[in-house]
Amino acid sequence: KAGVTQTPRYLIKTRGQQVTLSCSPISGHRSVSWYQQTPGQGLQFLFEYFSETQRNKGNFPGRFSGRQFSNSRSEMNVSTLELGDSALYLCASTTQGGSYNEQFFGPGTRLTVL
Amino acid sequence: GEDVEQSLFLSVREGDSSVINCTYTDSSSTYLYWYKQEPGAGLQLLTYIFSNMDMKQDQRLTVLLNKKDKHLSLRIADTQTGDSAIYFCAENSNYQLIWGAGTKLIIKP
Repeated sequence: KAGVTQTPRYLIKTRGQQVTLSCSPISGHRSVSWYQQTPGQGLQFLFEYFSETQRNKGNFPGRFSGRQFSNSRSEMNVSTLELGDSALYLCASTTQGGSYNEQFFGPGTRLTVL
Repeated sequence: GEDVEQSLFLSVREGDSSVINCTYTDSSSTYLYWYKQEPGAGLQLLTYIFSNMDMKQDQRLTVLLNKKDKHLSLRIADTQTGDSAIYFCAENSNYQLIWGAGTKLIIKP
């Protein structure tokens, strides 16, 4: 079974631009979560999708948005990029989400905002 | 509020045991997790413990849970150089994981 894939792996953007990151979950997994990892703030939850519906959202501004498609693939979008958005963005998939289902993480997308 | 705390660094000699500690605040968490992150890699689930358990052992890994004190620990026996990584403690809450800052495990020869 292929693991969670994220594209692109690396991205360089400038302030004010927007970016779309993609995540393909493990086949059969319907829940996709997104996390932001920075040296200063650590790992922070962005949002979680299940069957194309956002079930939970972290404390991020509205510039951060996401969606999930019928094949469970997910995208997240960041508009009007700021320097502080530079981070590793991790996607994780699981069968249903909830109290226990192991989350499998992708390698992440390293976003650098100049 | 929800918060997970762990020390930032731990240095041990190769062959010794490593004990990484974590405290959490959400008493309703049903599962607690330990993840490992190696340089340039994603997060890998090492082990987890259900909240009604006190201990779980899996080969070289032992997880201890003290629910009264909301304290979780991960013991790695016979620490090897390949164990060098950042170890994250996490608790589940409302379809998300709440993470500690991560403990960097440094192995001395």
